[in-house]
Amino acid sequence: GESVGLHLPTLSVQEGDNSIINCAYSNSASDYFIWYKQESGKGPQFIIDIRSNMDKRQGQRVTVLLNKTVKHLSLQIAATQPGDSAVYFCAENIVGGSYIPTFGRGTSLIVHP
Amino acid sequence: DAMVIQNPRYQVTQFGKPVTLSCSQTLNHNVMYWYQQKSSQAPKLLFHYYDKDFNNEADTPDNFQSRRPNTSFCFLDIRSPGLGDAAMYLCATSRDDGSYEQYFGPGTRLTVT
Repeated sequence: GESVGLHLPTLSVQEGDNSIINCAYSNSASDYFIWYKQESGKGPQFIIDIRSNMDKRQGQRVTVLLNKTVKHLSLQIAATQPGDSAVYFCAENIVGGSYIPTFGRGTSLIVHP
Repeated sequence: DAMVIQNPRYQVTQFGKPVTLSCSQTLNHNVMYWYQQKSSQAPKLLFHYYDKDFNNEADTPDNFQSRRPNTSFCFLDIRSPGLGDAAMYLCATSRDDGSYEQYFGPGTRLTVT
């Protein structure tokens, strides 16, 4: 079936660098996306979302970019800190459809001091 | 603070011995979910409740059951745990008002001996 996938299972960066986490989705009907952060031993936590009528959305130190043409989503973290070390999941939904999200595989971000 | 609470945080059970995991929420959300998450994998939806309506995923084993006695509480019963059921079990909630964000509890880590 259709699914959301991630290109890199593990990403290692140095503290202070910018991080980019990628997500490819295959369901062209998906029009709402959420990035979640899951720290070790905790449940996923909402970071930022984006709807398909936008191609960019910014939060505090995070930016999500959406390229509908190639069905690609990315999460950019500026000035990465050790506290950003976690697994990041993208999730997709269809607005007006099922409220059940489809989760991607996850990328582990490791930030080295 | 409004939140999703899971008890216990760590549960050890013996092979074949029934176990119950608990989830409660103070968010007054009408949708509650149970996910199973194994190491380095995305959460896998087992079932969810929309109010009192129970929705089972097609590939959820019969060994897993759930109860939702009221809006605030939801239970996951594993009737005969096998070694393959060792995992993190995540409870989540969401509203049904067009907001697709899920609010996760901290999870219960289940060990089967």
